Amino acid sequence: GAVVSQHPSRVICKSGTSVKIECRSLDFQATTMFWYRQFPKQSLMLMATSNEGSKATYEQGVEKDKFLINHASLTLSTLTVTSAHPEDSSFYICSARRDFPEQFFGPGTRLTVL
Amino acid sequence: EDKVVQSPLSLVVHEGDTVTLNCSYEVTNFRSLLWYKQEKKAPTFLFMLTSSGIEKKSGRLSSILDKKELFSILNITATQTGDSAVYLCAVCNNAGNMLTFGGGTRLMVKP
Repeated sequence: GAVVSQHPSRVICKSGTSVKIECRSLDFQATTMFWYRQFPKQSLMLMATSNEGSKATYEQGVEKDKFLINHASLTLSTLTVTSAHPEDSSFYICSARRDFPEQFFGPGTRLTVL
Repeated sequence: EDKVVQSPLSLVVHEGDTVTLNCSYEVTNFRSLLWYKQEKKAPTFLFMLTSSGIEKKSGRLSSILDKKELFSILNITATQTGDSAVYLCAVCNNAGNMLTFGGGTRLMVKP
């Protein structure tokens, strides 16, 4: 149990386009999901906390208008990178919390913006 | 602000060696400390520690927490090449939902 999926696993897009990443908890309901960003050889940096049915809580320095998060149901959260630029290229990982405080991570999405 | 520091940053050992990875933390209203292993993709959960002095063990991996010294160690005995990964330590406080991650220790096990 406790499987989290992400889609797509990899995306390459042109600068200026928007990219949507989905995060799903497959076998449990997650009231809280988290979005992280990871640069090469660095640790995970929390971007935002997403609660079902309410607005996401963004960490300091993360632009909420650029990284739109929607937690539509207890099993789905989406992250949309709007008007992506090369500096947004990164590895984006979501996690879902089943039993506090343990989190289960998705496989990640590698975004490359040309 | 919660803070997690891991050491060493990287480590190269040979198969069969034993390694100890360190994690120190500063957190307000500590609740738990978690260890993750990250290979090519997402981190996978290893241990969650909430009480001092109680060793958690899973095969060749074990971990223990010292809440007085604000420290945890992850031991790996008889290392194998498959243990090569980044090991992440994270702490959680009572107040928030989030995990604060350390910078990770990159372990490479050579045949």
